[in-house]
Amino acid sequence: GAGVSQSPRYKVAKRGQDVALRCDPISGHVSLFWYQQALGQGPEFLTYFQNEAQLDKSGLPSDRFFAERPEGSVSTLKIQRTQQEDSAVYLCASSLAVENIQYFGAGTRLSVL
Amino acid sequence: QKEVEQNSGPLSVPEGAIASLNCTYSDRGSQSFFWYRQYSGKSPELIMSIYSNGDKEDGRFTAQLNKASQYVSLLIRDSQPSDSATYLCAVTKPNFGNEKLTFGTGTRLTIIP
Repeated sequence: GAGVSQSPRYKVAKRGQDVALRCDPISGHVSLFWYQQALGQGPEFLTYFQNEAQLDKSGLPSDRFFAERPEGSVSTLKIQRTQQEDSAVYLCASSLAVENIQYFGAGTRLSVL
Repeated sequence: QKEVEQNSGPLSVPEGAIASLNCTYSDRGSQSFFWYRQYSGKSPELIMSIYSNGDKEDGRFTAQLNKASQYVSLLIRDSQPSDSATYLCAVTKPNFGNEKLTFGTGTRLTIIP
């Protein structure tokens, strides 16, 4: 596709439910990033993939958060046993490795009730 | 001290005037600098990137970088109502190809017709 695609756009979960958020990066983009954006804040880094390798997961807030990119294209961010503090917009970005310009998807707004 | 600091605003500027947005960063190793525009409920959109000291102009936008003062700014000339948005400053540090973005909290800009 022309841009980074994320789905679903909105997700409402009951506390304790597991959720899975999908990111389809721009074709050919090697690098893929996940960010979390709380209301009124800038995005905060969660994790980074280069192709299928997860090279940095230092931003994941707890072991309930898990991300994968098994074939080096589509990525899934999974949150287990969701908590209210997980409510945020989850943004995915991709870039060509050498260009270093990140292009963002529209995000998934997660609300945990 | 936050790694990237911005005045959260709101900043109100009359239509046609120059809007000046400022950002400071704490890590002298920061290498690349970006300004993203984010409309309410939308994803960040890259406006400008700058990598070396001095000015970089693109249409009505000028980015200015001063690494000695650890300061980067964005000037918007001939401000239009469509420029009303939150402007996010972001920096990266060289980290073995992981060019994760560190964002400020954003400055909310309102252009008054």
